[in-house]
Amino acid sequence: GAGVSQSPSNKVTEKGKDVELRCDPISGHTALYWYRQSLGQGLEFLIYFQGNSAPDKSGLPSDRFSAERTGGSVSTLTIQRTQQEDSAVYLCASSLEQSSNQPQHFGDGTRLSIL
Amino acid sequence: EDQVTQSPEALRLQEGESSSLNCSYTVSGLRGLFWYRQDPGKGPEFLFTLYSAGEEKEKERLKATLTKKESFLHITAPKPEDSATYLCAVQAGGGYNKLIFGAGTRLAVHP
Repeated sequence: GAGVSQSPSNKVTEKGKDVELRCDPISGHTALYWYRQSLGQGLEFLIYFQGNSAPDKSGLPSDRFSAERTGGSVSTLTIQRTQQEDSAVYLCASSLEQSSNQPQHFGDGTRLSIL
Repeated sequence: EDQVTQSPEALRLQEGESSSLNCSYTVSGLRGLFWYRQDPGKGPEFLFTLYSAGEEKEKERLKATLTKKESFLHITAPKPEDSATYLCAVQAGGGYNKLIFGAGTRLAVHP
């Protein structure tokens, strides 16, 4: 497949558990983004990776959220000690970064439900 | 503060009834304005990028325009398959690559 791939597509877990969400960007895309989409709200930026530069973590809502990108490709978003307000769709996007206003292309997201 | 407001929240059209969706923005140094389409259970699908006031882009029944304060997505003679949520997003200046999204317009086109 040529698009952004995210897994799992759905995740149900109990409050207080840790979860890991995975994103496989489009081949050749150097920039990778995580967003969160809560019910009835717009997409909210979480974190941005570009090559070997330090990530822009300015959108992470608390220190329970972290992300890493290994080898400039696959990224994992980790949420520790999940809370009910973490329930949302987590979307990953990637873009070419020859110029910074390249369109971002999105995966279909991970729907996270915290019981 | 950078902000994007979309209107209306929801729009119901009859097939063939043309209309426009609005995206008003306040941003420091616009680097790009992006339109996406999102179907239920799917991620946003890229439609257009607009970079400067006066620019227009077209794709099938959709046409996007940009002024210094807002963008319009014009839908000409829509079909039921155009039903989706349309999202507008801006990229601000200052070296920030994140997109700032509006809440979207839910469009329903009925036969």
